[in-house]
Amino acid sequence: GAGVSQSPSNKVTEKGKDVELRCDPISGHTALYWYRQSLGQGLEFLIYFQGNSAPDKSGLPSDRFSAERTGGSVSTLTIQRTQQEDSAVYLCASSLGRGNTGELFFGEGSRLTVL
Amino acid sequence: GENVEQHPSTLSVQEGDSAVIKCTYSDSASNYFPWYKQELGKRPQLIIDIRSNVGEKKDQRIAVTLNKTAKHFSLHITETQPEDSAVYFCAASGTGADGLTFGKGTHLIIQP
Repeated sequence: GAGVSQSPSNKVTEKGKDVELRCDPISGHTALYWYRQSLGQGLEFLIYFQGNSAPDKSGLPSDRFSAERTGGSVSTLTIQRTQQEDSAVYLCASSLGRGNTGELFFGEGSRLTVL
Repeated sequence: GENVEQHPSTLSVQEGDSAVIKCTYSDSASNYFPWYKQELGKRPQLIIDIRSNVGEKKDQRIAVTLNKTAKHFSLHITETQPEDSAVYFCAASGTGADGLTFGKGTHLIIQP
């Protein structure tokens, strides 16, 4: 596609349920990032993939969060047993090569609301 | 890991005046410093970036300066216009295993 695509754009769930957020990066981009943006806050780094591997998972807030990337393309961020503090916009970004030396292209984000 | 501090959190300037946003970083190995603009309800987009081998870069009304010794960098916007109203994020590259580390953002308000 022309840009980074994320789905769903909005998700409302009940506390304790699991959610999956999907990111489809720009074709050919090897680096993929997940960030979290709470209301009025900055961009909190969650995880980075180079190809299918994630060199550093330490940004994930708790063991309820996990992410995978298959085929060097689509990535899924899974949040298990959601809590109200998980409510935020989850942004995915991709870049050509190593993103920390070049432009990140962001998706529109997935807005998660946990009731 | 890298830590980026950004100031001010909110900046209000008169249309036509200049705006300056400052960031400091902690990891001396960082070598890439981008700035992103996020308009209300939209995705962040890169507006300018600078690498550690230069001290200043300009693109029309925006410029970025970098002082590696002091570990700080700044965004300068001249002749501000209403469409400059947005949240601006600075970032630093860190040492590579993780993503860019972003500052908490500056909400720039252009007063007519």
